[in-house]
Amino acid sequence: DGGITQSPKYLFRKEGQNVTLSCEQNLNHDAMYWYRQDPGQGLRLIYYSQIVNDFQKGDIAEGYSVSREKKESFPLTVTSAQKNPTAFYLCATMEEGEKLFFGSGTQLSVL
Amino acid sequence: AQSVTQPDIHITVSEGASLELRCNYSYGATPYLFWYVQSPGQGLQLLLKYFSGDTLVQGIKGFEAEFKRSQSSFNLRKPSVHWSDAAEYFCAVFNAGNNRKLIWGLGTSLAVNP
Repeated sequence: DGGITQSPKYLFRKEGQNVTLSCEQNLNHDAMYWYRQDPGQGLRLIYYSQIVNDFQKGDIAEGYSVSREKKESFPLTVTSAQKNPTAFYLCATMEEGEKLFFGSGTQLSVL
Repeated sequence: AQSVTQPDIHITVSEGASLELRCNYSYGATPYLFWYVQSPGQGLQLLLKYFSGDTLVQGIKGFEAEFKRSQSSFNLRKPSVHWSDAAEYFCAVFNAGNNRKLIWGLGTSLAVNP
């Protein structure tokens, strides 16, 4: 059963804490993306990766970090530098033809 | 600069009524256009896309969209709305010259009255 798995579904962060959101895919897609979604603001791109061991900043990368050590995995770390981390985070992959496939998201909240 | 505008933040229709969601884009070259749908607390799902050819494209769940270059529009339509169509709808344009990034509209929230 191919797809994208994001975990956890809900995550709580304490002040000053780094947290990592997991994104795993078995679609064999090269390109992977992280989006942040806030009510009324649509999707904003945080980071993206076109290939293993390479990634680029998106429009709102400050306070976030990523790695792409394996094709299947693209974890996102929300660092303590991100002062307003509460949001819905979506991971996606892109296949040939520019079609995006999305995970079911992680809701991050601040305690 | 490339952009996508969805003029309607929220729309309410009655079940069985027709639907049109508007999308306008600003893009210098021939655009690749998409409509995605998002149910609450879920990821997005592709409804349809336009790359070239026939300007009326058919998608899943009975949706269609028409590309009108002269109006820079890509409006989404459905002849008869079902209660299960209540969701958030996003229009996007693919920026081929910018490392395969999609430019998104802010979305239109659709409510369906029984």
